[in-house]
Amino acid sequence: DVKVTQSSRYLVKRTGEKVFLECVQDMDHENMFWYRQDPGLGLRLIYFSYDVKMKEKGDIPEGYSVSREKKERFSLILESASTNQTSMYLCASSSLNQPQHFGDGTRLSIL
Amino acid sequence: GQQVMQIPQYQHVQEGEDFTTYCNSSTTLSNIQWYKQRPGGHPVFLIQLVKSGEVKKQKRLTFQFGEAKKNSSLHITATQTTDVGTYFCAGAGGYQKVTFGTGTKLQVIP
Repeated sequence: DVKVTQSSRYLVKRTGEKVFLECVQDMDHENMFWYRQDPGLGLRLIYFSYDVKMKEKGDIPEGYSVSREKKERFSLILESASTNQTSMYLCASSSLNQPQHFGDGTRLSIL
Repeated sequence: GQQVMQIPQYQHVQEGEDFTTYCNSSTTLSNIQWYKQRPGGHPVFLIQLVKSGEVKKQKRLTFQFGEAKKNSSLHITATQTTDVGTYFCAGAGGYQKVTFGTGTKLQVIP
Protein backbone atom coordinates (compact mmCIF):
# COMPACT_ATOMS: atom_id res chain seq x y z
CA ASP A 1 0.00 0.00 0.00
CA VAL A 2 1.20 3.48 -0.84
CA LYS A 3 2.52 5.47 2.08
CA VAL A 4 2.87 9.25 1.99
CA THR A 5 4.33 10.61 5.20
CA GLN A 6 4.31 14.23 6.26
CA SER A 7 6.78 15.15 8.97
CA SER A 8 4.37 16.90 11.35
CA ARG A 9 0.60 16.76 11.99
CA TYR A 10 0.60 20.09 13.83
CA LEU A 11 3.07 22.95 13.67
CA VAL A 12 3.10 26.40 15.24
CA LYS A 13 5.50 29.06 13.97
CA ARG A 14 5.95 32.81 14.25
CA THR A 15 5.58 35.48 11.60
CA GLY A 16 8.78 35.93 9.63
CA GLU A 17 10.19 32.48 10.39
CA LYS A 18 11.41 30.18 7.62
CA VAL A 19 9.28 27.04 7.72
CA PHE A 20 10.01 23.64 6.20
CA LEU A 21 7.33 21.04 5.57
CA GLU A 22 8.62 17.62 4.56
CA CYS A 23 6.93 14.86 2.61
CA VAL A 24 8.20 11.38 1.82
CA GLN A 25 6.60 8.70 -0.35
CA ASP A 26 7.62 5.06 -0.56
CA MET A 27 6.22 4.00 -3.96
CA ASP A 28 8.79 5.44 -6.36
CA HIS A 29 6.20 7.85 -7.79
CA GLU A 30 7.34 10.37 -10.37
CA ASN A 31 4.90 13.09 -9.38
CA MET A 32 4.59 14.89 -6.08
CA PHE A 33 2.30 17.76 -5.10
CA TRP A 34 1.75 20.32 -2.37
CA TYR A 35 -1.73 21.69 -1.68
CA ARG A 36 -3.25 23.91 0.92
CA GLN A 37 -6.80 23.34 2.08
CA ASP A 38 -8.96 26.13 3.44
CA PRO A 39 -12.69 26.04 4.28
CA GLY A 40 -14.83 26.78 1.24
CA LEU A 41 -11.85 26.90 -1.12
CA GLY A 42 -11.14 23.20 -1.58
CA LEU A 43 -7.61 22.05 -2.35
CA ARG A 44 -5.42 24.61 -4.08
CA LEU A 45 -2.21 23.52 -5.75
CA ILE A 46 0.91 25.35 -4.59
CA TYR A 47 3.66 23.50 -6.48
CA PHE A 48 4.18 20.15 -8.10
CA SER A 49 7.13 18.15 -9.34
CA TYR A 50 7.20 15.49 -12.05
CA ASP A 51 10.83 14.48 -11.61
CA VAL A 52 13.83 14.97 -9.37
CA LYS A 53 15.01 18.58 -9.39
CA MET A 54 12.01 19.57 -11.53
CA LYS A 55 9.26 21.83 -10.24
CA GLU A 56 6.25 23.61 -11.64
CA LYS A 57 4.20 26.41 -10.14
CA GLY A 58 0.66 25.61 -9.24
CA ASP A 59 -2.19 28.05 -8.79
CA ILE A 60 -0.95 29.83 -5.64
CA PRO A 61 2.89 29.68 -5.50
CA GLU A 62 3.46 33.16 -4.05
CA GLY A 63 5.30 33.06 -0.73
CA TYR A 64 6.35 29.42 -1.18
CA SER A 65 9.21 27.48 -2.71
CA VAL A 66 9.92 23.77 -3.05
CA SER A 67 12.82 21.37 -3.23
CA ARG A 68 13.05 17.90 -4.71
CA GLU A 69 16.60 16.61 -4.39
CA LYS A 70 15.56 12.95 -4.16
CA LYS A 71 12.68 11.17 -5.85
CA GLU A 72 10.99 10.15 -2.62
CA ARG A 73 11.14 13.53 -0.88
CA PHE A 74 9.38 16.80 -1.67
CA SER A 75 9.82 19.78 0.64
CA LEU A 76 7.67 22.89 0.89
CA ILE A 77 9.35 26.04 2.16
CA LEU A 78 7.72 29.16 3.50
CA GLU A 79 10.48 31.71 3.06
CA SER A 80 9.06 34.20 5.56
CA ALA A 81 5.89 32.92 7.18
CA SER A 82 2.88 35.20 7.36
CA THR A 83 -0.43 34.80 9.18
CA ASN A 84 -2.31 34.29 5.90
CA GLN A 85 -0.34 31.09 5.43
CA THR A 86 -2.08 29.49 8.38
CA SER A 87 -3.74 26.48 6.79
CA MET A 88 -3.86 22.71 6.36
CA TYR A 89 -1.09 21.58 4.00
CA LEU A 90 -1.46 18.32 2.11
CA CYS A 91 1.21 16.45 0.20
CA ALA A 92 0.35 13.91 -2.50
CA SER A 93 2.18 11.63 -4.91
CA SER A 94 1.22 9.72 -8.03
CA SER A 95 2.56 7.73 -10.94
CA LEU A 96 2.17 9.03 -14.47
CA ASN A 97 -1.54 9.75 -15.18
CA GLN A 98 -2.60 7.85 -12.07
CA PRO A 99 -4.65 9.01 -9.06
CA GLN A 100 -3.00 10.86 -6.21
CA HIS A 101 -2.24 9.42 -2.80
CA PHE A 102 -2.31 11.90 0.06
CA GLY A 103 -0.49 12.22 3.35
CA ASP A 104 -2.33 12.95 6.59
CA GLY A 105 -1.69 16.68 6.33
CA THR A 106 0.09 19.28 8.44
CA ARG A 107 -2.01 21.86 10.24
CA LEU A 108 0.22 24.93 10.30
CA SER A 109 -0.50 27.93 12.50
CA ILE A 110 1.45 31.14 12.05
CA LEU A 111 1.24 33.48 15.04
CA GLY B 1 -6.39 29.04 -15.96
CA GLN B 2 -8.56 26.01 -15.53
CA GLN B 3 -11.31 26.33 -12.94
CA VAL B 4 -13.43 23.54 -11.48
CA MET B 5 -16.58 24.42 -9.59
CA GLN B 6 -18.67 22.11 -7.47
CA ILE B 7 -22.21 22.50 -6.22
CA PRO B 8 -23.65 22.43 -3.69
CA GLN B 9 -21.04 23.47 -1.14
CA TYR B 10 -22.98 21.77 1.68
CA GLN B 11 -25.76 19.20 1.77
CA HIS B 12 -27.66 17.80 4.72
CA VAL B 13 -29.77 14.72 4.04
CA GLN B 14 -31.79 12.29 6.12
CA GLU B 15 -30.35 8.81 6.19
CA GLY B 16 -31.87 6.87 3.31
CA GLU B 17 -32.28 9.90 1.02
CA ASP B 18 -30.32 10.29 -2.19
CA PHE B 19 -27.50 12.79 -2.72
CA THR B 20 -25.92 14.32 -5.81
CA THR B 21 -22.94 16.63 -6.28
CA TYR B 22 -22.10 18.32 -9.56
CA CYS B 23 -18.77 19.35 -10.97
CA ASN B 24 -18.21 21.83 -13.83
CA SER B 25 -14.97 22.72 -15.55
CA SER B 26 -14.19 25.87 -17.50
CA THR B 27 -12.19 23.77 -19.99
CA THR B 28 -12.42 20.34 -21.59
CA LEU B 29 -10.87 17.66 -19.41
CA SER B 30 -8.82 14.62 -20.35
CA ASN B 31 -10.18 12.77 -17.34
CA ILE B 32 -11.90 13.42 -14.03
CA GLN B 33 -11.22 11.87 -10.65
CA TRP B 34 -13.37 11.74 -7.54
CA TYR B 35 -12.07 11.72 -3.97
CA LYS B 36 -13.68 11.42 -0.55
CA GLN B 37 -12.34 13.07 2.58
CA ARG B 38 -13.71 11.86 5.90
CA PRO B 39 -13.83 14.36 8.78
CA GLY B 40 -10.29 14.73 10.14
CA GLY B 41 -8.86 12.63 7.32
CA HIS B 42 -7.18 13.14 3.98
CA PRO B 43 -8.68 12.79 0.48
CA VAL B 44 -8.93 9.21 -0.71
CA PHE B 45 -9.31 8.30 -4.37
CA LEU B 46 -12.66 6.80 -5.38
CA ILE B 47 -12.71 6.56 -9.18
CA GLN B 48 -11.45 7.96 -12.46
CA LEU B 49 -13.55 8.61 -15.59
CA VAL B 50 -11.89 9.01 -18.97
CA LYS B 51 -14.38 8.58 -21.80
CA SER B 52 -17.04 11.01 -22.94
CA GLY B 53 -20.42 10.00 -21.47
CA GLU B 54 -18.86 7.36 -19.25
CA VAL B 55 -20.89 5.99 -16.32
CA LYS B 56 -19.36 3.92 -13.53
CA LYS B 57 -20.91 2.41 -10.42
CA GLN B 58 -19.48 1.46 -7.06
CA LYS B 59 -22.24 -0.13 -4.98
CA ARG B 60 -24.55 2.82 -4.11
CA LEU B 61 -22.34 5.40 -5.86
CA THR B 62 -22.85 6.32 -9.53
CA PHE B 63 -20.35 8.53 -11.36
CA GLN B 64 -20.97 10.21 -14.72
CA PHE B 65 -18.72 12.10 -17.12
CA GLY B 66 -20.46 14.51 -19.46
CA GLU B 67 -20.52 14.16 -23.23
CA ALA B 68 -18.48 17.32 -23.66
CA LYS B 69 -16.01 16.20 -20.95
CA LYS B 70 -16.55 19.43 -19.05
CA ASN B 71 -18.85 18.22 -16.28
CA SER B 72 -19.36 15.28 -14.00
CA SER B 73 -21.64 14.13 -11.22
CA LEU B 74 -21.61 11.77 -8.25
CA HIS B 75 -24.90 10.31 -7.08
CA ILE B 76 -25.31 8.34 -3.86
CA THR B 77 -28.45 6.24 -3.51
CA ALA B 78 -29.97 5.73 -0.04
CA THR B 79 -27.28 7.51 1.96
CA GLN B 80 -25.84 5.99 5.11
CA THR B 81 -23.99 7.63 8.01
CA THR B 82 -20.78 6.15 6.63
CA ASP B 83 -21.15 8.41 3.58
CA VAL B 84 -20.45 11.51 5.68
CA GLY B 85 -17.51 13.55 4.40
CA THR B 86 -16.44 15.97 1.72
CA TYR B 87 -16.49 14.83 -1.89
CA PHE B 88 -14.07 16.41 -4.35
CA CYS B 89 -13.86 16.15 -8.08
CA ALA B 90 -10.49 16.76 -9.72
CA GLY B 91 -10.16 17.55 -13.39
CA ALA B 92 -7.06 16.74 -15.42
CA GLY B 93 -6.39 19.15 -18.23
CA GLY B 94 -2.69 19.76 -18.49
CA TYR B 95 0.39 17.60 -18.11
CA GLN B 96 0.26 15.72 -14.80
CA LYS B 97 -1.68 18.50 -13.15
CA VAL B 98 -5.20 18.20 -11.80
CA THR B 99 -7.41 20.98 -10.53
CA PHE B 100 -9.58 20.13 -7.55
CA GLY B 101 -13.11 21.36 -7.20
CA THR B 102 -14.21 23.27 -4.14
CA GLY B 103 -15.83 20.16 -2.64
CA THR B 104 -19.29 19.23 -1.37
CA LYS B 105 -19.60 18.54 2.34
CA LEU B 106 -22.22 15.87 3.01
CA GLN B 107 -23.88 15.50 6.38
CA VAL B 108 -26.20 12.54 6.93
CA ILE B 109 -28.78 12.83 9.70
CA PRO B 110 -29.62 9.45 11.29
